[in-house]
Amino acid sequence: EAQVTQNPRYLITVTGKKLTVTCSQNMNHEYMSWYRQDPGLGLRQIYYSMNVEVTDKGDVPEGYKVSRKEKRNFPLILESPSPNQTSLYFCASSLSLAGNQETQYFGPGTRLLVL
Amino acid sequence: ILNVEQSPQSLHVQEGDSTNFTCSFPSSNFYALHWYRWETAKSPEALFVMTLNGDEKKKGRISATLNTKEGYSYLYIKGSQPEDSATYLCAFSGGYQKVTFGIGTKLQVIP
Repeated sequence: EAQVTQNPRYLITVTGKKLTVTCSQNMNHEYMSWYRQDPGLGLRQIYYSMNVEVTDKGDVPEGYKVSRKEKRNFPLILESPSPNQTSLYFCASSLSLAGNQETQYFGPGTRLLVL
Repeated sequence: ILNVEQSPQSLHVQEGDSTNFTCSFPSSNFYALHWYRWETAKSPEALFVMTLNGDEKKKGRISATLNTKEGYSYLYIKGSQPEDSATYLCAFSGGYQKVTFGIGTKLQVIP
């Protein structure tokens, strides 16, 4: 089954404790992206990747890192989480290098609470 | 950060009514306009991708139009059903591979 998976689905952590949210897709998609969803603000793009070893900042990259060592995986790293990073996070992927032309497939979401 | 606006923010309609909502976006550097349907506790799912001025797309009772010159897109739902209740998101792609979402229109269809 074609899908985007994220882990964990739910996470409670404390300020400053490094964490990684994994994202994996099995569709051989080139474009992958991370978003955060906050009430009243909509989905905001954190980072995106056009291919292996090619990543770039979205609109809200501060406090996050990403890597794209393999085509299928695009982990989101919070080196020192803070309470303002409490949010619902979505990973998404699309087939084309021109991700802005292609439909994105979303993972199930990761709900993060930083105390 | 680009400005992508959706209106109304929420909408209640009776079952069987037809409805429409608006997405407005920058008219310059246009690449594509996407519509997604997002049900509570699920992930956004794609409805349409539109790339050309004048594009019209249709899927069942849902259709969309695009005007890139004036920077707006309409989503229409004909004969709304309770299962149409969801948040409808539009997303603008303006180059540099970035995607900017609107806040969404939350539709509630009352049986």
